Amino acid sequence: QKEVEQNSGPLSVPEGAIASLNCTYSDRGSQSFFWYRQYSGKSPELIMFIYSNGDKEDGRFTAQLNKASQYVSLLIRDSQPSDSATYLCAVMGNYQLIWGAGTKLIIKP
Amino acid sequence: DAGVIQSPRHEVTEMGQEVTLRCKPISGHDYLFWYRQTMMRGLELLIYFNNNVPIDDSGMPEDRFSAKMPNASFSTLKIQPSEPRDSAVYFCASSAVTLKQGGQETQYFGPGTRLLVL
Repeated sequence: QKEVEQNSGPLSVPEGAIASLNCTYSDRGSQSFFWYRQYSGKSPELIMFIYSNGDKEDGRFTAQLNKASQYVSLLIRDSQPSDSATYLCAVMGNYQLIWGAGTKLIIKP
Repeated sequence: DAGVIQSPRHEVTEMGQEVTLRCKPISGHDYLFWYRQTMMRGLELLIYFNNNVPIDDSGMPEDRFSAKMPNASFSTLKIQPSEPRDSAVYFCASSAVTLKQGGQETQYFGPGTRLLVL
């Protein structure tokens, strides 16, 4: 069974520091990877997607993909209290997204 | 665009009652997904439609659950009879892009329906 694994956390990071979130997946044939953010009581919203090995940057967010090691990570630079949320990793399987359980991130002022 | 619309936002019902959740996808989106989210099990895909046709319902827990999409702008998820273990947040999401490897699959989620079955 195809799986996506994330550390549930909580991951506590001081304000202004870099938050690093990790995700591993089991299907070596996966090609599309997504990071969603979910605030408490709200619905998931897409932050970034990545397809190619290496880094993809968007503002304070950087997604990193390593297909050989089957992991994808999300870095948040200059963390802000407003970044406190649960971050969901999703991997494109056969015609549907396979979701991780999410990592709860807490940014401490 | 108004985004994905779900109703009701909150539902409290008693065990054994029928529950109907409603969803209006983003106009022009060909794919519609129903998810359930709980603390214990996370986000689970229940069923998804393509062009109003159910494609994969393997995530539907049991026969008590049914989903329909009579047209491109409306879908329902029905639970009959409801049980306390059905208590969860139910999300509807829609997407405009073909589901395939390498596709830019961006699913837009509705606000969810918080269901409590007593």
